[in-house]
Amino acid sequence: QSVLTQPPSVSGAPGQRVTISCTGSSSNIGARYDVHWYQQLPGAAPKLLIYDNNSRPSGVPDRFSGSKSGTSASLAISGLQAEDEADYYCQSYDGLADSVVFGGGTKLTVL
Amino acid sequence: EVQLVQSGAEVKKPGESLKISCKGSGYSFTTYWIGWVRQMPGKGLEWMGIIFPGDSDARYSPSFQGHVTISADKSLTTAYLQWNNLKTSDTAIYYCARTFRRVAPSDYWGQGTLVTVSS
Repeated sequence: QSVLTQPPSVSGAPGQRVTISCTGSSSNIGARYDVHWYQQLPGAAPKLLIYDNNSRPSGVPDRFSGSKSGTSASLAISGLQAEDEADYYCQSYDGLADSVVFGGGTKLTVL
Repeated sequence: EVQLVQSGAEVKKPGESLKISCKGSGYSFTTYWIGWVRQMPGKGLEWMGIIFPGDSDARYSPSFQGHVTISADKSLTTAYLQWNNLKTSDTAIYYCARTFRRVAPSDYWGQGTLVTVSS
């Protein structure tokens, strides 16, 4: 059972917009710790996609965006492309556990 | 160019010991933390722990405390993840990743080391 809760799967057609939620609690996201998102393509290491809730590293398309409110965060992907098919993970810090925590991951299928 | 290069795949028996490595290059090794992440077959990412090579300050996730040891040799710019008594449930891919602060994101990742524990 992950500390951060994500939907196991989402799907969308090419060109559509999808969102992936990440729900935490008052000891992590709600405690104002930042949320980061990673993309993991099949057979590859995770790649940083969004950091500090809504910032994109250099090279990440602006089709990817993040937001945070209260004890939850979201990743939005617009203009879906076949290459976006991957697993997506949210990450934050938990002050009670004094440790980094991940969401369980969400598999994005592009129909 | 920042790189984290991990040691190769390992096949071990239950009860054996193992130490895998993660060599950093292209940046100041002693000013960034190195974290370790487990990914069991077909499962998600799990944070194991982190070390600051500058002073070898190591912190562990409660789930992994006492089960693994994280260390670093700054002269070799290498971090390590070690087991003294492997179990079949330790079969997984292990990633190392660089982070500037313990609460910060991991911006560079190693390629992963597959550890298989089987009798």
